[in-house]
Amino acid sequence: NAGVMQNPRHLVRRRGQEARLRCSPMKGHSHVYWYRQLPEEGLKFMVYLQKENIIDESGMPKERFSAEFPKEGPSILRIQQVVRGDSAAYFCASSPRVNEKLFFGSGTQLSVL
Amino acid sequence: LAKTTQPISMDSYEGQEVNITCSHNNIATNDYITWYQQFPSQGPRFIIQGYKTKVTNEVASLFIPADRKSSTLSLPRVSLSDTAVYYCLVEGDGNAGNMLTFGGGTRLMVKP
Repeated sequence: NAGVMQNPRHLVRRRGQEARLRCSPMKGHSHVYWYRQLPEEGLKFMVYLQKENIIDESGMPKERFSAEFPKEGPSILRIQQVVRGDSAAYFCASSPRVNEKLFFGSGTQLSVL
Repeated sequence: LAKTTQPISMDSYEGQEVNITCSHNNIATNDYITWYQQFPSQGPRFIIQGYKTKVTNEVASLFIPADRKSSTLSLPRVSLSDTAVYYCLVEGDGNAGNMLTFGGGTRLMVKP
């Protein structure tokens, strides 16, 4: 049973471009969470999704950021018109049911030039 | 949301027992206490979870007093590979949107 898969591992974008981060949860997991982490800081919650539904997006900026978890395929975190302040590690986690332990991916390191 | 407070950093030596305490004064009746470990450039990894008293697994022990306002993660005989950041979380039905809030964590440095 493969773990949570995130790709790409590293992503470099220029200011104004779009960044797409992908997350495939563990098999059988229907709950997906996205977190952002700046260097030397803790993880900041962004969004919580279940299949085809956004449950809680209270941690996600209102502009430029969006997330989806379609019926088929991975969850996508999309950042439009990236700025340097978007540079961070983005982690995805999944769980089989609510309030169960999270399994994290290895993250995507986004660098905005 | 129950907020957690833990030391920013701790130092230890190989072979010692390390105890990291976390305060969560506003913990709700339905909340569980969970600890995660994170190595550089990796996602956090679940260590242990408990509700009250003591929980032990192959990696660590978790001590929770009767009032549940704090908890202590105990790592027996640490090695250099235990150098990591340790996060204490409180989670349960009371969490808005069932999200998990990670604080700054405790940066443990194990020295030879």
